[in-house]
Amino acid sequence: GAGVSQSPSNKVTEKGKDVELRCDPISGHTALYWYRQRLGQGLEFLIYFQGNSAPDKSGLPSDRFSAERTGESVSTLTIQRTQQEDSAVYLCASSFDRDRAYEQYFGPGTRLTVT
Amino acid sequence: AQSVAQPEDQVNVAEGNPLTVKCTYSVSGNPYLFWYVQYPNRGLQFLLKYITGDNLVKGSYGFEAEFNKSQTSFHLKKPSALVSDSALYFCAVKAGNRLAFGKGNQVVVIP
Repeated sequence: GAGVSQSPSNKVTEKGKDVELRCDPISGHTALYWYRQRLGQGLEFLIYFQGNSAPDKSGLPSDRFSAERTGESVSTLTIQRTQQEDSAVYLCASSFDRDRAYEQYFGPGTRLTVT
Repeated sequence: AQSVAQPEDQVNVAEGNPLTVKCTYSVSGNPYLFWYVQYPNRGLQFLLKYITGDNLVKGSYGFEAEFNKSQTSFHLKKPSALVSDSALYFCAVKAGNRLAFGKGNQVVVIP
């Protein structure tokens, strides 16, 4: 079906507020990834979901960051008590299964600005 | 740890000239290498990958890349650049369950 979608496309929030970012993966894709892209920098891995396995949370930068995924569907990335350094584009990607994890399909991203 | 390096920040090239974007890798074992392109305000798009086989890999939009084991490089190339190729290009290597990305190269094709 359609590609990976993310919402909102842009989010401006005040420092200290919580935000929730949403990712709809490609239907049938079992693996889902969240990355962070800061201005002028490469992609920073945050978290990885594969089917019903325990997620790989090793990239989350602090305990203010968390993510959930129900089955093989939508995922939400939550940032609590946002800080200015959280300002970035948050990218979601999905792939068919573990063995094809390298063929990742990316969404357009959510641009988060913390003021 | 698996990693890639993109030594240049920006690549400027005249339209119609050959385009090369450099990438070197550092891995243990055999590398799985990739190139992605990011157009303004859009997500990353897959261009091509090297897993095994021929060292010259052909991908989307006329791009190709050459895997060079002795130089640990995977440079992206296009024989004749178009203005529409202006974008941000990322090299990546499979690192466990994820991809490890380089910092990206801004390519500017000058009309």
